Amino acid sequence: GENVGLHLPTLSVQEGDNSIINCAYSNSASDYFIWYKQESGKGPQFIIDIRSNMDKRQGQRVTVLLNKTVKHLSLQIAATQPGDSAVYFCAENSGGSNYKLTFGKGTLLTVNP
Amino acid sequence: NAGVTQTPKFQVLKTGQSMTLQCAQDMNHEYMSWYRQDPGMGLRLIHYSVGAGITDQGEVPNGYNVSRSTTEDFPLRLLSAAPSQTSVYFCASSKDRGDQPQHFGDGTRLSIL
Repeated sequence: GENVGLHLPTLSVQEGDNSIINCAYSNSASDYFIWYKQESGKGPQFIIDIRSNMDKRQGQRVTVLLNKTVKHLSLQIAATQPGDSAVYFCAENSGGSNYKLTFGKGTLLTVNP
Repeated sequence: NAGVTQTPKFQVLKTGQSMTLQCAQDMNHEYMSWYRQDPGMGLRLIHYSVGAGITDQGEVPNGYNVSRSTTEDFPLRLLSAAPSQTSVYFCASSKDRGDQPQHFGDGTRLSIL
């Protein structure tokens, strides 16, 4: 089947640096993408989403970039803080309906003080 | 609003036992879903519902049943627990459109002995 995957399983950055978490997807029909943050013992928390008619979207300290040509999604976190340490998942709306999300396996972000 | 509430938070079962994982949301969301999260596997969709009285299978439905008698509640039933069902289970909900982010509960950690 088609999967959403991540280039890097772990990422370690210094506090104050910018972080970039990457995600590759293979379903060219996917039209909606989401980034989630999951802290230990908690459920995934919505960060930002983007639709396929856009290539960039910005939130508070976060930016999502979508490159449909190479089927690549990235999450940029500006001025990374210790509280940003978590597992980050990308997800795509796939599976032939608008309600099924396919998740990547996650990237562990560690922020060093 | 409490958001998505899952009970219990932890449960240990013996092989062959049955149980129901509860999920309730107070956001009047039409769409609800159940995922399981295993190490290295990301989140996988078990069952989902697009409204009261309507359910459908996800990626890994075997061994699980669901029903949706009300908009608020979406219980997940394990008919005869097996060790392979040891996992963390997450319930999620979203508005009635497929391009809306899903909101997750904090999970039920289930161990089958």
